[in-house]
Amino acid sequence: GAVVSQHPSRVICKSGTSVKIECRSLDFQATTMFWYRQFPKQSLMLMATSNEGSKATYEQGVEKDKFLINHASLTLSTLTVTSAHPEDSSFYICSARGWSAGNEQFFGPGTRLTVL
Amino acid sequence: QKEVEQNSGPLSVPEGAIASLNCTYSDRGSQSFFWYRQYSGKSPELIMSIYSNGDKEDGRFTAQLNKASQYVSLLIRDSQPSDSATYLCAVNKKGRGSTLGRLYFGRGTQLTVWP
Repeated sequence: GAVVSQHPSRVICKSGTSVKIECRSLDFQATTMFWYRQFPKQSLMLMATSNEGSKATYEQGVEKDKFLINHASLTLSTLTVTSAHPEDSSFYICSARGWSAGNEQFFGPGTRLTVL
Repeated sequence: QKEVEQNSGPLSVPEGAIASLNCTYSDRGSQSFFWYRQYSGKSPELIMSIYSNGDKEDGRFTAQLNKASQYVSLLIRDSQPSDSATYLCAVNKKGRGSTLGRLYFGRGTQLTVWP
């Protein structure tokens, strides 16, 4: 399958700081990238969908001013958690989809965020 | 009604047995169906995709799709302890944000294969 990378894999930050997470498709062009959040023992929750070169579409209940998403190229999307608080601590996972990858959706390894 | 329903399990089978995982979906117009495996603390990994009625086999895995019954299943033959994970059923459906649709996931079935 196609390869998606995420960086960093783990981040610990103080409350009130901002954290940027990068998601890259390494061997295909990702026309669409998705950002998910997963709390322990719970299922994946889609936060937003982003298409290259356009604004992200956020799911209901997700604050777009708090979770800034940029999809500036066909291989890179970023999620910035602004003014992070302890309740934002979670496992953030991106996934990518593109025509050259058979239009299937491949996940990055995830970023574990801990806000102190 | 949820988009995708799975038995949450847990499902426990002995090594060498067949593990059977089931999933139903609500949108009759769905065209694409997927099974992901997620190990504890890791992200989901795509293991099977199926688009037409019938069976699709890949190694020890067989996906089955019945669109009339809105039912998808995954069979794992010769189960191994390394297959112990949560298996997520996903269905692609048109939605906001992408003309190609987005995946709707079931809650996952936790499988344990004991030696």
